[in-house]
Amino acid sequence: GQQLNQSPQSMFIQEGEDVSMNCTSSSIFNTWLWYKQDPGEGPVLLIALYKAGELTSNGRLTAQFGITRKDSFLNISASIPSDVGIYFCAGRGRGAGNMLTFGGGTRLMVKP
Amino acid sequence: GAVVSQHPSWVICKSGTSVKIECRSLDFQATTMFWYRQFPKQSLMLMATSNEGSKATYEQGVEKDKFLINHASLTLSTLTVTSAHPEDSSFYICSAPLRYLSYGYTFGSGTRLTVV
Repeated sequence: GQQLNQSPQSMFIQEGEDVSMNCTSSSIFNTWLWYKQDPGEGPVLLIALYKAGELTSNGRLTAQFGITRKDSFLNISASIPSDVGIYFCAGRGRGAGNMLTFGGGTRLMVKP
Repeated sequence: GAVVSQHPSWVICKSGTSVKIECRSLDFQATTMFWYRQFPKQSLMLMATSNEGSKATYEQGVEKDKFLINHASLTLSTLTVTSAHPEDSSFYICSAPLRYLSYGYTFGSGTRLTVV
């Protein structure tokens, strides 16, 4: 089945630093989504991408849908302590109906 | 925005008992509901897809007789873990695609199941 490789698996950064994480796939996705999950909670949508090459921002977050449709990145600028959590990419591929495939997650830790 | 309300948020049960988890779409109709299981420090793994008025579709390796899914209405889907065992302890999350996919997918807040 389709798989997403998300990296890095974890990051420990200083408050104020920028963060970058990415997901790659061996197959094409038509939709890329980025979620954040806090402990004991369900994922919350951060950014949704629907077109190859699309670059979308949401406050300090910026995500891009790769031209090849096989990758996406998420950047967080000027990190703050509340950015701590697990970030997941998710993709919806051709013929997958509404089903999402999730990356393995990036655990972000921010040192004040 | 569209919300999926999931209950209970946590439950502890004895081995051999059954537990029901509910997910309700509060301000939209969810014709489809995805059920995920998440183990500590791992990603979400799709267990099954429920569709209103029809049988659920289970992913490979997921026992349909153990994880009973009912989607009897457009606003309610339930997952029942039958004869629970400690290895069923996990975080269970439901998710519904919104009518217009440009609005994305909304997730429930999850249910932490602990079987003792």
